Amino acid sequence: GAVVSQHPSWVICKSGTSVKIECRSLDFQATTMFWYRQFPKQSLMLMATSNEGSKATYEQGVEKDKFLINHASLTLSTLTVTSAHPEDSSFYICSARQGSRPRDTEAFFGQGTRLTVV
Amino acid sequence: QKEVEQNSGPLSVPEGAIASLNCTYSDRGSQSFFWYRQYSGKSPELIMFIYSNGDKEDGRFTAQLNKASQYVSLLIRDSQPSDSATYLCAVGSDTGRRALTFGSGTRLQVQP
Repeated sequence: GAVVSQHPSWVICKSGTSVKIECRSLDFQATTMFWYRQFPKQSLMLMATSNEGSKATYEQGVEKDKFLINHASLTLSTLTVTSAHPEDSSFYICSARQGSRPRDTEAFFGQGTRLTVV
Repeated sequence: QKEVEQNSGPLSVPEGAIASLNCTYSDRGSQSFFWYRQYSGKSPELIMFIYSNGDKEDGRFTAQLNKASQYVSLLIRDSQPSDSATYLCAVGSDTGRRALTFGSGTRLQVQP
């Protein structure tokens, strides 16, 4: 199956600093990538849809100025958590779908990034 | 009303038994259906996908789809303790430019 690589796998940062998370599709071009957040024992929550070459589409309630998404190439999307606070501590996961047709579109997930803000 | 519904569980089965996981969805236009397994602290991994009505078998796993009833299930035969995880049902529609819609997951516990 297709491979999506996410980096870093874990990060600890101080409150008020910014953290960048990278998501790469290693063996396919992903025009669309998705960013999720998952709190302990809860389900995946879609944060935003990242579109190559255009602005990301954010889900309701997600602050676009706090969670900056850049999708500069067909293989890389980045999520920057700006001015992080302890309540931003969570498991962040990216995914990519390989094609634009429904039958090409299993979502492949990155390994996830465990963010802890202290 | 949630778009994809799953029983949160936990579903507890003895080792060697068949585990049956169920999922219903609300969007009749849905075209693709997926089962993911997620271990605690890890990201989801794809187990199976199904597009057409009926059964699809892959090793110990069988996915079943009934579009008329808007129902998807996953059967795990000869359940093993290593199958203990949360199983996420996901539904896709129209194009790959939209995220899959995930259920909240069913936690499966296989008792040795």
